[in-house]
Amino acid sequence: GAGVSQSPSNKVTEKGKDVELRCDPISGHTALYWYRQSLGQGLEFLIYFQGNSAPDKSGLPSDRFSAERTGGSVSTLTIQRTQQEDSAVYLCASSLYRGLGYGYTFGSGTRLTVV
Amino acid sequence: SQQGEEDPQALSIQEGENATMNCSYKTSINNLQWYRQNSGRGLVHLILIRSNEREKHSGRLRVTLDTSKKSSSLLITASRAADTASYFCATDVLTGANSKLTFGKGITLSVRP
Repeated sequence: GAGVSQSPSNKVTEKGKDVELRCDPISGHTALYWYRQSLGQGLEFLIYFQGNSAPDKSGLPSDRFSAERTGGSVSTLTIQRTQQEDSAVYLCASSLYRGLGYGYTFGSGTRLTVV
Repeated sequence: SQQGEEDPQALSIQEGENATMNCSYKTSINNLQWYRQNSGRGLVHLILIRSNEREKHSGRLRVTLDTSKKSSSLLITASRAADTASYFCATDVLTGANSKLTFGKGITLSVRP
């Protein structure tokens, strides 16, 4: 596609339920990133994919969070047993290559609300 | 500790004036990037400056980088109401596989018509 696509755009879930967030990066972009942004805050790094592997998952806040990428394309971020502190906007970005000075293209994000 | 910190946290100017936003960082970088965010959703990449560059221009945007002071500035000239947004600096530190773009908390720019 022309840009990074994220779905759903909004998700309201009950505490304790699992949620799955999807990211469709720009075709051909090998690097994919997940960030989280809480209200009025900066972006918190979660995980980075190069192809299908995740060399850096240091930002995942707990073992309730996991992510995968298949076919070097679509990525899903799964949050199990959601908690209220998981409420945030989850942003996905992709870039052509890592470390060669390419900017990131961001999706519009998924606003997750845990009630 | 925060790698990139923007200053000021909020800036309000009149349309037509110039807006200057600053960013300081702590560790050596590969490059530094500025992004804009409208309405708390996706960020838009504005400009990238590499560690061996000192100044870069793109339209009404001018970015400077001083690696000795570990600081950067973003200047928006002849501001417009449409420039109202949050602006983030992000530092790119390439250290093998464990590399990522680290964002500051952002600057809220309000341009009054």
